[in-house]
Amino acid sequence: EVQLVESGGALVQPGGSLRLSCAASGFTFSSYEMNWVRQAPGKGLEWVSYISSIGTTIYYADSVKGRFTISRDNAKNSLYLQMNSLRAEDTAVYYCARYLRGFDIWGQGTMVTVSS
Amino acid sequence: DIQMTQSPSSLSASVGDRVTITCRASQSISRYLNWYQQKPGKAPKLLIYTASDLQSGVPSRFSGSGSGTDFTLTISSLQPEDFATYYCQQSYSTPYTFGQGTKLEIK
Repeated sequence: EVQLVESGGALVQPGGSLRLSCAASGFTFSSYEMNWVRQAPGKGLEWVSYISSIGTTIYYADSVKGRFTISRDNAKNSLYLQMNSLRAEDTAVYYCARYLRGFDIWGQGTMVTVSS
Repeated sequence: DIQMTQSPSSLSASVGDRVTITCRASQSISRYLNWYQQKPGKAPKLLIYTASDLQSGVPSRFSGSGSGTDFTLTISSLQPEDFATYYCQQSYSTPYTFGQGTKLEIK
């Protein structure tokens, strides 16, 4: 079964750090571009970051640039999002999503809450 | 950045109705437009990619059209399971912006 499973979400204080992981299975992870998308409580979807299949091309939303770092380990079939200097407005469910003519496979999401 | 504007923001309809949701891009995105369905507490699901291509497994009552800046998602005959929130998204250039969503509710 083609699957993405996120982990690492937690309650963290403003200014803190967190690392999210996304484990892929059921497909050749190294062949696909990947993304992180987030959704604040009761709000719409916001694209966060993109990484190419071999990790050489990376893009970020302006709202997270300089604070978040996307990476991947194709040997471990895993995608990561290192989040530093977290703010209250980063509170959201974070989804990893595979890109193939659209975001065709999504994980179930992991909740990040930034609050003191 | 390319802005995506959906209309309406919410819509009430009945089972069996034909429904159309529109999405407008702030600049031409060719046909790099995708549609997603999201139900409460669940991840989004890809319905339509490149404006009009139906994702595998998605019922044929869903269809998409458009190019350039104006796009539509049509559900030909609403089923009970179709009541959800729908989002358009452009994949023409980063940031891959989403529309604000259209909540489809039961009348």
